[in-house]
Amino acid sequence: DGGITQSPKYLFRKEGQNVTLSCEQNLNHDAMYWYRQDPGQGLRLIYYSQIVNDFQKGDIAEGYSVSREKKESFPLTVTSAQKNPTAFYLCASRPGADLSGELFFGEGSRLTVL
Amino acid sequence: DQQVKQNSPSLSVQEGRISILNCDYTNSMFDYFLWYKKYPAEGPTFLISISSIKDKNEDGRFTVFLNKSAKHLSLHIVPSQPGDSAVYFCNAGGTSYGKLTFGQGTILTVHP
Repeated sequence: DGGITQSPKYLFRKEGQNVTLSCEQNLNHDAMYWYRQDPGQGLRLIYYSQIVNDFQKGDIAEGYSVSREKKESFPLTVTSAQKNPTAFYLCASRPGADLSGELFFGEGSRLTVL
Repeated sequence: DQQVKQNSPSLSVQEGRISILNCDYTNSMFDYFLWYKKYPAEGPTFLISISSIKDKNEDGRFTVFLNKSAKHLSLHIVPSQPGDSAVYFCNAGGTSYGKLTFGQGTILTVHP
């Protein structure tokens, strides 16, 4: 079945460690997105990519990094520079040609810093 | 700068009544709008959308209204059902660029 797979579902990290969240899609979508959800804050855009080998910062990119080497993969690295990394992270994609199309979301990854 | 705002953090409605969720935006470049529904610990799922060339779009129990002059949209759910209890997010974008902005979300609770 086509969809978006995020892994791991739960992740614990010690302060000062970098962690990488995986996002893979087999929908043949050009555009991919990373959002962060905190209570009362809604979904805030971290990074997005509209095409392979290109990505743009969202509203809260500080302390995060991404890569888009393959169309189907858009991993997010949470670095030690991110001050409050504990959150629920959501990856999404949509067909790039249709900029009015809906987003398809993964199930999310919950990161907890110990 | 919050370009998309949902000013009601929560809404409580009796089963069978109407639920009205509101969303305001500031960027006049936005020309299409979507609503998503989200359950805890899951990814959001698409509910309904509207483009700026329309002022209303209907899909079953769900209707979205757009008032471009007021930069306001609303989602009506009639009749509301307990299974509609979830967080609803308003999402706005522009066909000239790929960035998509969400509101803060409204928690809808439908009581039996």
